[in-house]
Amino acid sequence: GAGVSQSPSNKVTEKGKDVELRCDPISGHTALYWYRQSLGQGLEFLIYFQGNSAPDKSGLPSDRFSAERTGGSVSTLTIQRTQQEDSAVYLCASSGLAGGDTQYFGPGTRLTVL
Amino acid sequence: GQNIDQPTEMTATEGAIVQINCTYQTSGFNGLFWYQQHAGEAPTFLSYNVLDGLEEKGRFSSFLSRSKGYSYLLLKELQMKDSASYLCAGDNYGQNFVFGPGTRLSVLP
Repeated sequence: GAGVSQSPSNKVTEKGKDVELRCDPISGHTALYWYRQSLGQGLEFLIYFQGNSAPDKSGLPSDRFSAERTGGSVSTLTIQRTQQEDSAVYLCASSGLAGGDTQYFGPGTRLTVL
Repeated sequence: GQNIDQPTEMTATEGAIVQINCTYQTSGFNGLFWYQQHAGEAPTFLSYNVLDGLEEKGRFSSFLSRSKGYSYLLLKELQMKDSASYLCAGDNYGQNFVFGPGTRLSVLP
């Protein structure tokens, strides 16, 4: 079956613009996670959804970052007024259950803010 | 906070055995994941330990000691394709996941 997909694969934007990143999880997976990874760095947890709700928003780095998930499936991560430090690979993962279940990662979206 | 520590880099020879350690605060995680990440690719799942002890899967084994806040990933019969970053991640009882910085393993011929 299909894995986790993300779009776009690459996004180049100008500082100050808004961007939307999309994640399509594996069908039937209830948990969805967003991470970002800067060049040569480890994964930084951003936000986690169980169904459509996000019990933990503590990882969002600022109020410019928001995420939503509709229908328990597709999720979008929105970054408003992008800054150069937002440049990173944004990874989405999904799992069948929250906690203790294998997370399957998408290929990521490489965001470059000029 | 909940910190996870791993060595930054390791080097080993093809055919050898290497152990990658991961330490964390004991007050936190339900279990430990190990992921492999090749350069430019997304992480892929290797193992998940929730009980103390060693779990073996072919050439890869993972160990956990909850009381000591310690885990390791053991790679046997190293192959060149094992050159990658290995990420240790704590499962915060399903609320979120905390990743370590990753260990970059280089396998030399």
